[in-house]
Amino acid sequence: QTVVTQEPSFSVSPGGTVTLTCGLTSGPVSTSYYPSWYQQTPGQAPRTLIYNTNIRSSGVPDRFSGSIRGNKAALTITGAQADDESDYYCVLYMSSGIWVFGGGTKLTVL
Amino acid sequence: QAQIVQSGAEVKKPGASVKVSCKASGYKLINNGMHWVRQAPGQRLEWMGWISGHGHTKYSQNFQGRVTITTDTSASTVYMELNNLTFADTAVYYCAREGPPYFYHYMDVWGKGTTITVSS
Repeated sequence: QTVVTQEPSFSVSPGGTVTLTCGLTSGPVSTSYYPSWYQQTPGQAPRTLIYNTNIRSSGVPDRFSGSIRGNKAALTITGAQADDESDYYCVLYMSSGIWVFGGGTKLTVL
Repeated sequence: QAQIVQSGAEVKKPGASVKVSCKASGYKLINNGMHWVRQAPGQRLEWMGWISGHGHTKYSQNFQGRVTITTDTSASTVYMELNNLTFADTAVYYCAREGPPYFYHYMDVWGKGTTITVSS
């Protein structure tokens, strides 16, 4: 069973920079997994932030960026704002033609 | 502008089936696939399955045999049917459009979600 791993929680100060990661228990994450990132606030539908590793979705501020860091996909928020406090999910596309969500990271801005 | 409108909340008994719909507007269903994702209360998002614009499907092993995704292009609507419901199927069910271009394998436009409650 493929497991996509994310930090359960993270904290960042307003104006600070934070990097959330997305890994695989079975090996390294590469661009071939087409990592995408989604933001979700309580009671709301997810919002697409990043796709194909590092392409920002329409309307997403440029303080959000995606990359591969080491063996993981990464989402970096530069200059965190209070309304960035949300749950963040990564999704990886597997060679078997299925998609798998990570467990999500709860980001606190304080 | 692409939009997705989902059907309303439902309450079902254990063992029953539920069929949730997503009506697409602002684009042609045949041009984009559709994903189904669910979220149990307080839990993570979980991918359930996908249907291509031409009706090809892929399902998560976690739902294999219990879920069926279909499309009615004439009605611009995609359906997800889940059978043999248990209490663990209580969740918000989302549909999300496959983002263009399709080979980037992501979701771009999301419905607001449909709450399915399984209760005896």
